[in-house]
Amino acid sequence: EVQLVESGGDLVQPGGSLRLSCVASGFTFRNYWMSWVRQAPGKGLEWVAGIKDDGSERHYPDSVKGRFTISRDNAKNSLYLQINSLRLEDTAIYYCARQWIDWGQGTLVNVSS
Amino acid sequence: QTVVTQEPSLTVSPGGTVTLTCASSAGAVTNEDYLNWIQQKPGQAPRALIYGATNRHPWTPARFSGSLLGDKAALTLSGVLPEDEADYYCLIYKGGTSVFGGGTRLTVL
Repeated sequence: EVQLVESGGDLVQPGGSLRLSCVASGFTFRNYWMSWVRQAPGKGLEWVAGIKDDGSERHYPDSVKGRFTISRDNAKNSLYLQINSLRLEDTAIYYCARQWIDWGQGTLVNVSS
Repeated sequence: QTVVTQEPSLTVSPGGTVTLTCASSAGAVTNEDYLNWIQQKPGQAPRALIYGATNRHPWTPARFSGSLLGDKAALTLSGVLPEDEADYYCLIYKGGTSVFGGGTRLTVL
């Protein structure tokens, strides 16, 4: 059974940083593109980062480029998202997804002063 | 960047048929766009329904079908059940980047 378990969400002040993690199991992690998607309260889904199976390519939308960094450790079956200079509008549930097939349950990032 | 447009909301009666559409500002949606449909019920994580515009995942009920309709992608639900009430998102994945549509809220009434 495929499982994706996110963690690392927290209440943080504007300007702060967070590192989100996603631990994968039930499939060969190193063979798949992985992505992060967020959903602000009451809003739709927004793709925020994607990384190739071997980590050689990383992609971001313009809205987060320069502040978000996606990475992975295939030896640990883990995906990461580093978020810097947090803004109020980064408040959202952050999901990891395996090549748009499977999704985790999400982790909540709350940016508030 | 590409903007993907969906109907904000649709209503369908139980047992009826409804078609949701997905349009891209970059032009016609084609097989090159690796079009996905994703369902999200209130309080739940998203769940993949359709990939490559027309292919169901093993867990996707047969009443869901994906197609390319003119310049757009379409998701048709036939024999709608009350449990199909949800938000539906299309997702275009191309060249490593992805864009979600704004989502369609489907009400079964």
